[in-house]
Amino acid sequence: GDSVTQMEGPVTLSEEAFLTINCTYTATGYPSLFWYVQYPGEGLQLLLKATKADDKGSNKGFEATYRKETTSFHLEKGSVQVSDSAVYFCAQKGGGTSYGKLTFGQGTILTVHP
Amino acid sequence: NAGVMQNPRHLVRRRGQEARLRCSPMKGHSHVYWYRQLPEEGLKFMVYLQKENIIDESGMPKERFSAEFPKEGPSILRIQQVVRGDSAAYFCASSPEPLANTGELFFGEGSRLTVL
Repeated sequence: GDSVTQMEGPVTLSEEAFLTINCTYTATGYPSLFWYVQYPGEGLQLLLKATKADDKGSNKGFEATYRKETTSFHLEKGSVQVSDSAVYFCAQKGGGTSYGKLTFGQGTILTVHP
Repeated sequence: NAGVMQNPRHLVRRRGQEARLRCSPMKGHSHVYWYRQLPEEGLKFMVYLQKENIIDESGMPKERFSAEFPKEGPSILRIQQVVRGDSAAYFCASSPEPLANTGELFFGEGSRLTVL
């Protein structure tokens, strides 16, 4: 069945470091891919998305490229800030009428130190 | 514009009791989704409801769990005769259109259920 696998955390970085959080998926067909972020004390919110192969989603300095050949959607940011400390979830939505079935990875905790 | 509101934020129950979790979607949203996050796992889809109708409950356990989204009032996730394995964070999300159209859900902060 459909699944999403994220790199295990937690990830601890210094401010201005480069960030990569790996995400790979298995799916039948061609899913849409998402990164959601959960800041402390808040609900999950959409960070970026890509709906087809080679699409690049970007927001707030974060980027992720939909790679069909490697079934990956790695999240990157060139220079992290303390305010980026949060839990990051990779997710996919299958094609067709998948209704509410976002399939999530287990989440990666990111902590950025000054 | 208030976001998705869930209550209670924390709930403690003893084995065999009932748990009721409430979710008020964002204003103008008629599609509600419940997800569960067990310790060390990702969020797992449970049920999708649209005002007074259950659209997809394929992720709901067959027994003890039920959900509703009445014409008036919040959506309710009800767990009867709770067991320790029900301890988890339960997240509610809403959207103005079906997920198949937009791909974006708006989440609440979650309700953490602890079963003693």
